[in-house]
Amino acid sequence: KNEVEQSPQNLTAQEGEFITINCSYSVGISALHWLQQHPGGGIVSLFMLSSGKKKHGRLIATINIQEKHSSLHITASHPRDSAVYICSTQGGSEKLVFGKGTKLTVNP
Amino acid sequence: DTGVSQDPRHKITKRGQNVTFRCDPISEHNRLYWYRQTLGQGPEFLTYFQNEAQLEKSRLLSDRFSAERPKGSFSTLEIQRTEQGDSAMYLCASSAGAYNSPLHFGNGTRLTVT
Repeated sequence: KNEVEQSPQNLTAQEGEFITINCSYSVGISALHWLQQHPGGGIVSLFMLSSGKKKHGRLIATINIQEKHSSLHITASHPRDSAVYICSTQGGSEKLVFGKGTKLTVNP
Repeated sequence: DTGVSQDPRHKITKRGQNVTFRCDPISEHNRLYWYRQTLGQGPEFLTYFQNEAQLEKSRLLSDRFSAERPKGSFSTLEIQRTEQGDSAMYLCASSAGAYNSPLHFGNGTRLTVT
């Protein structure tokens, strides 16, 4: 059974700081997703990756398949980045396994 | 395209009542997923459809839960004889046919069972 662990659980930063959120998983996967969830529940898919690195605006996601580890970085953080960031993994089926999320608060 | 739509946004019901939620996926997406999320936790997989076929169900989906996608478009999730432990956010997502296509989530239906 795949276990997905995220760290930290909660993160508070000042506007402009560089943010890193980590995700570790226990078994081989075919893809890893980073999701953003705002208060009220809506979830937005940020990245889906199976190797290497992806960048979108101020967001960067990396994955190390050998170490079973992924990171989500936010450069020049802004209060509007405040949300819960969730890592989820996809194995041989369509079923996703989710981490508990990292609650990010960026203060002005 | 308005994205994935879920209805209602909120539902308050008394224990023992039946509830039904609806999900309208993005129109060209043939895969539809239901997830459940309780406070402070990540979502948990419930079930998945490809077109009208329900291809995978979680053990979390007890016999009180049933999901349908009769014409391969919208889907319904029904919970019979609701219990307080059913209180959660029920999330629907859809994706296109290619394996590992990105998921698009709806805003969820928040269920409170009193």
